[in-house]
Amino acid sequence: GQQVMQIPQYQHVQEGEDFTTYCNSSTTLSNIQWYKQRPGGHPVFLIQLVKSGEVKKQKRLTFQFGEAKKNSSLHITATQTTDVGTYFCAGRYGGSQGNLIFGKGTKLSVKP
Amino acid sequence: DSGVTQTPKHLITATGQRVTLRCSPRSGDLSVYWYQQSLDQGLQFLIQYYNGEERAKGNILERFSAQQFPDLHSELNLSSLELGDSALYFCASSPYALAGVGDTQYFGPGTRLTVL
Repeated sequence: GQQVMQIPQYQHVQEGEDFTTYCNSSTTLSNIQWYKQRPGGHPVFLIQLVKSGEVKKQKRLTFQFGEAKKNSSLHITATQTTDVGTYFCAGRYGGSQGNLIFGKGTKLSVKP
Repeated sequence: DSGVTQTPKHLITATGQRVTLRCSPRSGDLSVYWYQQSLDQGLQFLIQYYNGEERAKGNILERFSAQQFPDLHSELNLSSLELGDSALYFCASSPYALAGVGDTQYFGPGTRLTVL
């Protein structure tokens, strides 16, 4: 079946270091969404990318969608302790009627 | 606070039992989605309802069923429970039936189910 692979599974960084998580699909995605789940919390929508090669920024977060719409990345510049949590990508296949397929997430811990 | 409510927060039950999880979507949202989150499987989409009708099905077991009522709240019924059903169950809501440029899913706080 369709799968969205997300790496790394875990990332430990020192506060102030950068962080990147990657998502890959073997087939073309209609769009991709990113969510953040704080420890003990629920997933919270961050952004949706739709266009090939799209880049969006939210303060220290940069989201990219690959040219072939098969991969995506989330980059955080100068991490802070408030960035701690698990970051999920969720890809949609099959146009607007497709279900969201979530990656397994990257758990980020930040050492102060 | 996403505006999506789920009850109960925690549920402990025994194998073979049946439970019902409840979700109230954000005001005005017509779609409700159910997800299962376990440690090894991540977030798995189970089922979506839109305005009372089943809209999409994911990896939902035959022992599980759901429905959406006229007031738009939804219930997820889990029967013949097994140890492996222990997980966090989230519901999410969105205004749309189909995904579009503005599609966002708002997640509730989840119900933690423990099957002993």
